[in-house]
Amino acid sequence: EDQVTQSPEALRLQEGESSSLNCSYTVSGLRGLFWYRQDPGKGPEFLFTLYSAGEEKEKERLKATLTKKESFLHITAPKPEDSATYLCAVLGEYGNKLVFGAGTILRVKS
Amino acid sequence: DTEVTQTPKHLVMGMTNKKSLKCEQHMGHRAMYWYKQKAKKPPELMFVYSYEKLSINESVPSRFSPECPNSSLLNLHLHALQPEDSALYLCASSQTSGGANTQYFGPGTRLTVL
Repeated sequence: EDQVTQSPEALRLQEGESSSLNCSYTVSGLRGLFWYRQDPGKGPEFLFTLYSAGEEKEKERLKATLTKKESFLHITAPKPEDSATYLCAVLGEYGNKLVFGAGTILRVKS
Repeated sequence: DTEVTQTPKHLVMGMTNKKSLKCEQHMGHRAMYWYKQKAKKPPELMFVYSYEKLSINESVPSRFSPECPNSSLLNLHLHALQPEDSALYLCASSQTSGGANTQYFGPGTRLTVL
């Protein structure tokens, strides 16, 4: 059974304090790993799709990386507007639906 | 443009009411999804439509009835709901349901069942 574990559950940062969120996964053949950002009461906003180990993608202050067992979402010099829940999801070779992690709640204080 | 729209934004209904949630996308996607999300939990898949045909029903109670009138529209008909059905209902779409296609989510409908 495909599984996704995100850590930490919650993270508090000062503005400008860089850090990383972790997404560990167990899947029989990874077809894709997805990162989303979700603000309270709103739908998830797509950030990145990663397909194979070694792949990296960047967008503004965010950079996502992928290995055979985990993905990291690196946040460089975060701002208060980066505060949100970050969701990781995987699609396995034999799966027919996204398997989500529980999410990491990020709070960035000014 | 990667926009999925949902109406209404908020819905309050009694247990005997019948209501519908609507979702629309104009990205030419041929797969559309309904998810249910409870507070502080990740989205849970309810239904998948592929080329306007229901392809996945995640054992959802019959009080939820999906409909896909055409490739751009997706409805969720609600009847005789329970208070525990109160949640954020999310619609998503992707190019197809096969392969690792990115799903794009709408803003959601906040449903409260009294």
